[in-house]
Amino acid sequence: AQSVTQLGSHVSVSEGALVLLRCNYSSSVPPYLFWYVQYPNQGLQLLLKYTTGATLVKGINGFEAEFKKSETSFHLTKPSAHMSDAAEYFCAVSDLSTNAGKSTFGDGTTLTVKP
Amino acid sequence: EAGVAQSPRYKIIEKRQSVAFWCNPISGHATLYWYQQILGQGPKLLIQFQNNGVVDDSQLPKDRFSAERLKGVDSTLKIQPAKLEDSAVYLCASSLGEGYQETQYFGPGTRLLVL
Repeated sequence: AQSVTQLGSHVSVSEGALVLLRCNYSSSVPPYLFWYVQYPNQGLQLLLKYTTGATLVKGINGFEAEFKKSETSFHLTKPSAHMSDAAEYFCAVSDLSTNAGKSTFGDGTTLTVKP
Repeated sequence: EAGVAQSPRYKIIEKRQSVAFWCNPISGHATLYWYQQILGQGPKLLIQFQNNGVVDDSQLPKDRFSAERLKGVDSTLKIQPAKLEDSAVYLCASSLGEGYQETQYFGPGTRLLVL
């Protein structure tokens, strides 16, 4: 069975500081990994995804994530936080062991950006 | 390109009443998903359709929840009778195909409060 753990339900950074949101997954087969962002009163929007190939994945809004198989991690980073990055971030995993591409989501990390 | 549409955006009902939510996916998207997102948690898949057929409904409480996707386009999710614990945001998403790598596009959600 697949699962996702997001370490830290709340992360606070200053504007211009490094953003690091942690995600660890459990999967019995090679996973597909996703990061989504959710702004208040909106649906989720894809930031980036890892399927195969290069382990460093670049997404929208300056975010990137690195797939580390040995650590079963897919942490999300951004070198310099903007006020507009304040939102909730969800990590998700899917793999071939599940029916029809079902994704499992973590419980989310709320990012606060201080001026 | 129009996004995933959902209505209503908000709904307040009393327990034991019934409620229905509507979703119109992105045009041409074969796969449609309904998620339940309880406050402080990630989205949990309730049901997944491929065209007008059900692919996965293993986490749908079938004694009170039902969903249909007539003609393989829009979909409705119904709760009857509602319980207090059904208070949540109900998210609809769609993807072009059925697969583990597919990006899901989410609607804004329907926020349900059961009193």
